Amino acid sequence: DTAVSQTPKYLVTQMGNDKSIKCEQNLGHDTMYWYKQDSKKFLKIMFSYNNKELIINETVPNRFSPKSPDKAHLNLHINSLELGDSAVYFCASSPLAGGYTFGSGTRLTVV
Amino acid sequence: DAKTTQPPSTDCAEGRAANLPCNHSTISGNEYVYWYRQIHSQGPQYIIHGLKNNETNEMASLIITEDRKSSTLILPHATLRDTAVYYCIPREIQGAQKLVFGQGTRLTINP
Repeated sequence: DTAVSQTPKYLVTQMGNDKSIKCEQNLGHDTMYWYKQDSKKFLKIMFSYNNKELIINETVPNRFSPKSPDKAHLNLHINSLELGDSAVYFCASSPLAGGYTFGSGTRLTVV
Repeated sequence: DAKTTQPPSTDCAEGRAANLPCNHSTISGNEYVYWYRQIHSQGPQYIIHGLKNNETNEMASLIITEDRKSSTLILPHATLRDTAVYYCIPREIQGAQKLVFGQGTRLTINP
């Protein structure tokens, strides 16, 4: 069983569309995150949820909206996609104390 | 967030020990040193973390200086699969603390 699974793995879409990326973890962790890795390979946090509650919200356009229906799921919805949104998006989870477990990433390409 | 300095790249012969240094002179007393790596296009992988004592697990050893201003990650018998970017990240262990990724060190293992 994959500990942190993201779907889809690849996503190609046109500018202006709305898309969602799903994430699920089966590790029983309380906290989940979304990270973005741009073309220069910098990894930067976007959001964090602890037990369904938003606790970290970095400077991210409000076109990005995370949703956590339960503590095992954290989805990312993106409205009005722009070319600059092209990146690899990683979901991760962590226990209260300890290391993160990352998913394998979703490569988003906006054309 | 404590700032870290890592060499941009290094290489090592297969089967030898790979040593990856990191300076974190502004680390605070309640921050641990975490090490992660990212193998090409995959999600970052947790390796090890420590506070002030040296730590060892099945993947690596972590040596932290007494003043905690620097640390070294040691991969005792490097293999080709250890080729990756390695990140040293100070982080408080409790709570949903974000990971702040720097540029890391690109380690290349040569056959």
